[in-house]
Amino acid sequence: DAMVIQNPRYQVTQFGKPVTLSCSQTLNHNVMYWYQQKSSQAPKLLFHYYDKDFNNEADTPDNFQSRRPNTSFCFLDIRSPGLGDAAMYLCATSRKTGLDQPQHFGDGTRLSIL
Amino acid sequence: AQSVSQHNHHVILSEAASLELGCNYSYGGTVNLFWYVQYPGQHLQLLLKYFSGDPLVKGIKGFEAEFIKSKFSFNLRKPSVQWSDTAEYFCAAGINTDKLIFGTGTRLQVFP
Repeated sequence: DAMVIQNPRYQVTQFGKPVTLSCSQTLNHNVMYWYQQKSSQAPKLLFHYYDKDFNNEADTPDNFQSRRPNTSFCFLDIRSPGLGDAAMYLCATSRKTGLDQPQHFGDGTRLSIL
Repeated sequence: AQSVSQHNHHVILSEAASLELGCNYSYGGTVNLFWYVQYPGQHLQLLLKYFSGDPLVKGIKGFEAEFIKSKFSFNLRKPSVQWSDTAEYFCAAGINTDKLIFGTGTRLQVFP
């Protein structure tokens, strides 16, 4: 059974048109992460939530925002997507923060920009 | 800057061949190290992890990895690969914070 679910698997949007990617989890984990993975590159952490506490990475563009309305759901909002934002977006969860906590990943959403 | 390097971008092997995928990290302090695997069309899954203790770590499906502190390395090994091992393999390091730093991945193709 899928434990970290990302919808949709594929998303196409127009240049500059806001888009929202969603992630839900059935693990009741405290921490949810969003990564961006461009072709042939490493997954790069954008931000994470510990419960309701939002932690933004220093180099995450302002164009990217996130919401976590409850424990189960977390959204990635891209306000004005540019061509350079085309990538796979990965959601992950962990029970708590800490280097010893394995992260559980969803299947990802591949975002294309027209 | 802290980083994780995987020098083998694409590895092609025949079944029963031995596998070693390289991983090096750049950080002088305490690190926790992970290997994740992504099978075609599936999500990233944890293969094995090292936190402390025995530097030789055994994971699922016959994989193992050895932490060599003096070489800043955490290479992944398997004595005899199978076709079902075809996947992308990512090395990752937890360095000093709660953040995982991933390598760029190694695509492994195993032919019958």
